[in-house]
This record gives sequence, C-alpha cells and structure tokens, in this order.
Amino acid sequence: GESVGLHLPTLSVQEGDNSIINCAYSNSASDYFIWYKQESGKGPQFIIDIRSNMDKRQGQRVTVLLNKTVKHLSLQIAATQPGDSAVYFCAENLGDAGGTSYGKLTFGQGTILTVHP
Amino acid sequence: NAGVTQTPKFRILKIGQSMTLQCAQDMNHNYMYWYRQDPGMGLKLIYYSVGAGITDKGEVPNGYNVSRSTTEDFPLRLELAAPSQTSVYFCASTPGQGLNEKLFFGSGTQLSVL
Repeated sequence: GESVGLHLPTLSVQEGDNSIINCAYSNSASDYFIWYKQESGKGPQFIIDIRSNMDKRQGQRVTVLLNKTVKHLSLQIAATQPGDSAVYFCAENLGDAGGTSYGKLTFGQGTILTVHP
Repeated sequence: NAGVTQTPKFRILKIGQSMTLQCAQDMNHNYMYWYRQDPGMGLKLIYYSVGAGITDKGEVPNGYNVSRSTTEDFPLRLELAAPSQTSVYFCASTPGQGLNEKLFFGSGTQLSVL
C-alpha cells in the first residue's frame, strides 16, 4: 500500500531557532494530514491538521504547509523551546473503497527533534 | 474527563500466554482504534471500531482480536503471544461525527513477549 514517509530522521536545533520538519507522501488521493508530537513514554499528541484543499494552516507557534504538486508536507515550529523536544509524526488519512475514512491514519516513521538550550 | 485510559502500562508475557489490553474512553466517541508502535517506527493500525458491536481489521490484525460491547470500552486480545508482538500498543478514539477528525491517544501499554 501507499505510505507516508519523512526525509530526515533527526533534527537538532538551538533554543529560539525555527524548526522545519518535512514529510513526503505518495498517495495523491489523501485528503487530510495531521502532525502529532510524541514525548518519551507518552502517546501521540495532536499538533495541527490540514485538509487537501488548503496550502497553509497556522496554529500557536506552528505552521503546516502542504504542497500537493510535489506531495510534500512540512511542520514549522517558531522559536523552538526545549519542551518541543520529541518525536514528530506526520500522518495521512486512509480512505476505504467507499471513500469514508473512518479516521484511519497512516503514520510516517517520525523525526526526532532535539532542542539544545 | 480522563480521556483515553489504557491498562496495564507495562506487561511481560511468556510465549504462548494470552492477555487482554484494556482501553476505555469517557468522551462518548464513536470511533476507536488500536495501533502498535515498534521501536523507531510509526504507528500501524491493528483494528478499529466505528461503534458498539462493529469492528474491522486494520493493517496488521494477525494474532489479535477485539470486541466492542459498549461505546466506552475497546479491549484488545492476544491469544498466543509471540515475540513479534513485542511492541507499544496505543488505543485512540475520535468522535466519528464526520470525516477527518483528530485522534485522541492513550498513554500506551508496553508489552514484551519473551
């Protein structure tokens, strides 16, 4: 089946810098994408989502960009803080034959973000 | 609200043993899911349910069974544990009132099969 993948497995930044985490997807029919943050020993935590009819969406300190032409998704974190250190996953919506997603997600491998004070 | 609650947090099984991973949510969500996460990997869907009495297979269902007798509970059963089932298991839920809703995850159950 088709899958979501990440370009870089690790990213190290200095506190206060901006971080960019990238994700490539291969299913052109995917219509919903989500970024999750997973801290050590915890379950994934929702960060931000975007639908395929949008190019950009902003949240608090985070922005998700979607480029459907090259099937690329990115998460930008402004003024990165030590508390942002975690594994970040992108996920895409899995549709079934009837076109109803039932919320099923395909996850990428994840990017480890380390923020140095 | 407690959200999605999973028990136990940790468990060690011997090959061939069985166990049930418990999952409960108090948000009145219709849709519930079980994912497994192997070291250094993303999450893979095992089973899901869109309502009480309705379950369906995900990407990696072999070796597992589920039931959904109530809206709140979605237990995952391992009948004959194998080393390949060593993983971290996450339960999740979503309201199920429309397409493309974010999932709420529990804190996970770390299972080792030796």
